Amino acid sequence: DTGVSQNPRHKITKRGQNVTFRCDPISEHNRLYWYRQTLGQGPEFLTYFQNEAQLEKSRLLSDRFSAERPKGSFSTLEIQRTEQGDSAMYLCASSSTQKLETQYFGPGTRLLVL
Amino acid sequence: AQSVTQPDIHITVSEGASLELRCNYSYGATPYLFWYVQSPGQGLQLLLKYFSGDTLVQGIKGFEAEFKRSQSSFNLRKPSVHWSDAAEYFCAVPTFGNEKLTFGTGTRLTIIP
Repeated sequence: DTGVSQNPRHKITKRGQNVTFRCDPISEHNRLYWYRQTLGQGPEFLTYFQNEAQLEKSRLLSDRFSAERPKGSFSTLEIQRTEQGDSAMYLCASSSTQKLETQYFGPGTRLLVL
Repeated sequence: AQSVTQPDIHITVSEGASLELRCNYSYGATPYLFWYVQSPGQGLQLLLKYFSGDTLVQGIKGFEAEFKRSQSSFNLRKPSVHWSDAAEYFCAVPTFGNEKLTFGTGTRLTIIP
């Protein structure tokens, strides 16, 4: 069990550029979650997958955001036409499908949009 | 919808002193509750969780939390803090069905020598 990994750990981009983040969950976990955390706040839910199916998206996830989990393993989160308000820490977590199983979090990707 | 409130934004305690971090929940039925810790530059680590049964829950790193229905609280405690406990602490409640977590705003803990 190597834990949840996220890449890159840091990303600086200019407004209007597209960025993509990757999350590799714990191998036997079939649920994968994305959260966003801004300074001084707790993480906020963005979306989650069970296997390759995206089952829920938050209203926080505008049309510029898209997430995929093509083979039910790793996931990507893409932000198109980034805005300064997108600057945040993007956290990925995974869990098994047992009811209320613990979510294990990755170290996050910190995005700064200039 | 279920939610949690952490009334203390920042707490400072001396090393070796006891600690209590507050968490209040808003939920009709008996909630399931979690405490996570986030060290600088790190992801969130689960300290403990309450599902049902014994209202005093033991966690990792010497932490414990007590569920009090009458006060709608799930406060985190530690009898003697260590400098390494300096971090941000989050209380969270899951949504039944998809288990997405709703977090409080967090309490930042500073330890002074």
